Amino acid sequence: NAGVTQTPKFQVLKTGQSMTLQCAQDMNHEYMSWYRQDPGMGLRLIHYSVGAGITDQGEVPNGYNVSRSTTEDFPLRLLSAAPSQTSVYFCASSYSAARETFNEQFFGPGTRLTVL
Amino acid sequence: KQEVTQIPAALSVPEGENLVLNCSFTDSAIYNLQWFRQDPGKGLTSLLLIQSSQREQTSGRLNASLDKSSGRSTLYIAASQPGDSATYLCAVRLEYGNKLVFGAGTILRVKS
Repeated sequence: NAGVTQTPKFQVLKTGQSMTLQCAQDMNHEYMSWYRQDPGMGLRLIHYSVGAGITDQGEVPNGYNVSRSTTEDFPLRLLSAAPSQTSVYFCASSYSAARETFNEQFFGPGTRLTVL
Repeated sequence: KQEVTQIPAALSVPEGENLVLNCSFTDSAIYNLQWFRQDPGKGLTSLLLIQSSQREQTSGRLNASLDKSSGRSTLYIAASQPGDSATYLCAVRLEYGNKLVFGAGTILRVKS
């Protein structure tokens, strides 16, 4: 298994540009999520999905869109990039969205985004 | 609102020393707590996961404890090695939903 993969690893955008960060997992995981990591603030949840066709907002959703058309893929779209979106973005997945299951979360390697 | 705090923010120790990293959370209504390791410029690697009904988990030289009622967890690293140098993050999974709330991390440096 490749686990959780993310592309690109690095990206530089100009203010106002749009782009999509890709995330894929090959573990047949039901739950997928996107976090951003900023210095001194830990990771904060942007959006998450409990299964194909179902998405919901996390703690900091403004300026981002997601979709989940397949179990494997969970892309994150920046609609109009702003300097405040400069961050490292991590995608994560876990086997089930159900509370009762042993639900270790697995993280991708991250995408480092700079918005000028 | 759940808040997770990690103390200390940074720690430097000589090789071979035993050490303890601390994690505290404000709301005891958690489903589990997970400790991660993050190397510079890399993603997160899961180290240990403790369910809310458990008191501790062990993996090799690592031991994590959980006191849910007092809102505390510790990660004990025995006989530290330079290869243990990394940032250690704790995260709690809330009872309602699958969201993880992270602490800001402890930067560990083990000197040879």
